[in-house]
Amino acid sequence: DSGVTQTPKHLITATGQRVTLRCSPRSGDLSVYWYQQSLDQGLQFLIQYYNGEERAKGNILERFSAQQFPDLHSELNLSSLELGDSALYFCASSVRADNTEAFFGQGTRLTVV
Amino acid sequence: AQSVAQPEDQVNVAEGNPLTVKCTYSVSGNPYLFWYVQYPNRGLQFLLKYITGDNLVKGSYGFEAEFNKSQTSFHLKKPSALVSDSALYFCAVRPSSGNTPLVFGKGTRLSVIA
Repeated sequence: DSGVTQTPKHLITATGQRVTLRCSPRSGDLSVYWYQQSLDQGLQFLIQYYNGEERAKGNILERFSAQQFPDLHSELNLSSLELGDSALYFCASSVRADNTEAFFGQGTRLTVV
Repeated sequence: AQSVAQPEDQVNVAEGNPLTVKCTYSVSGNPYLFWYVQYPNRGLQFLLKYITGDNLVKGSYGFEAEFNKSQTSFHLKKPSALVSDSALYFCAVRPSSGNTPLVFGKGTRLSVIA
């Protein structure tokens, strides 16, 4: 168990809908990262937050947004969902912002139908 | 921009034999290199990292990796494979300076056959 908790584990929703994925980092970790894992694209970095502030942005679509709250948990919001958004979404956390060792949650499997 | 190549989608090895999972990278400046393992329906688990120092890095579960700067490689190795090592292995890289997120390879599926 990495100490990173993601909910829900599975999510099935229809195209056009909006969902929120939640991540609780390891105790003491200030940095949270979101990754998308799909069969054709591999593991893609989406966005990083450090102590409540956006720190780095990757290949995140405009339909997606995220935030990190004062208690350091993070949420990834996915809207206007398309079939191609079906993927495994991982959250990872690390103590510092420099990502030298990140611990991953078990992921949320999103299926868009 | 940094990148990682894992040239083999699949590696098959007999139990008890040595295994190698290959990784080459491209990065500006010095690299930080990582290996992660993913078991079915699980998140990625950290195996080992190279930050600086000795080119041979030892990690969890008997795995090790050798950093080769001239060949820009960071191959994962284990002297004697176990069936339980069967999983998806990811190599990742980021530059040692700045705050750049990890870039992952596409993964190599290791199958250890009894």
